[in-house]
Amino acid sequence: DAGVIQSPRHEVTEMGQEVTLRCKPISGHDYLFWYRQTMMRGLELLIYFNNNVPIDDSGMPEDRFSAKMPNASFSTLKIQPSEPRDSAVYFCASSDYRETSTEAFFGQGTRLTVV
Amino acid sequence: ELKVEQNPLFLSMQEGKNYTIYCNYSTTSDRLYWYRQDPGKSLESLFVLLSNGAVKQEGRLMASLDTKARLSTLHITAAVHDLSATYFCAVADDKIIFGKGTRLHILP
Repeated sequence: DAGVIQSPRHEVTEMGQEVTLRCKPISGHDYLFWYRQTMMRGLELLIYFNNNVPIDDSGMPEDRFSAKMPNASFSTLKIQPSEPRDSAVYFCASSDYRETSTEAFFGQGTRLTVV
Repeated sequence: ELKVEQNPLFLSMQEGKNYTIYCNYSTTSDRLYWYRQDPGKSLESLFVLLSNGAVKQEGRLMASLDTKARLSTLHITAAVHDLSATYFCAVADDKIIFGKGTRLHILP
């Protein structure tokens, strides 16, 4: 397996624009996590899915953020409208940790800059 | 609510020295992970600790877990410059929560 695949790797957008981040988890993993990393706040869990169903979105900062997982091999995180304070690295991770007691595997991240 | 606290958050040390990073967490869990992150890179798994008393070692790094104390440690033996990175612990209950990380800088 190629691991967790995120796209794009870098995104620069203007304030007010819509941004969509994409994630392809490792095949067979039933958990998918979206994290945001900043210097000030560290690595924050935004939302996670189990079997494509959102379980906990309490970390989503505002209604401007939304996430979907239409099938087991694809998830999106959307920010609309984007603001400069959304600038961060967004990581997607997948795991089957409850079944196999393994860890979460991370994608390479998307570095988002909102100007 | 699950909380994970690491200390120290920053550590600058000389090569050849030993040191320990501590990870405390707030709820019962028997799954604890250690990750490494290099600047500008993603997170790489180092250790998976699954039971009380678990100890794992890889090279100069050794991790342990005490579920009764809700404490894990990452011990660095005879540090070398290549170990400079940020180290995260993470705890799993119904989700996986990370500590804020320990930025380790090893001076030659």
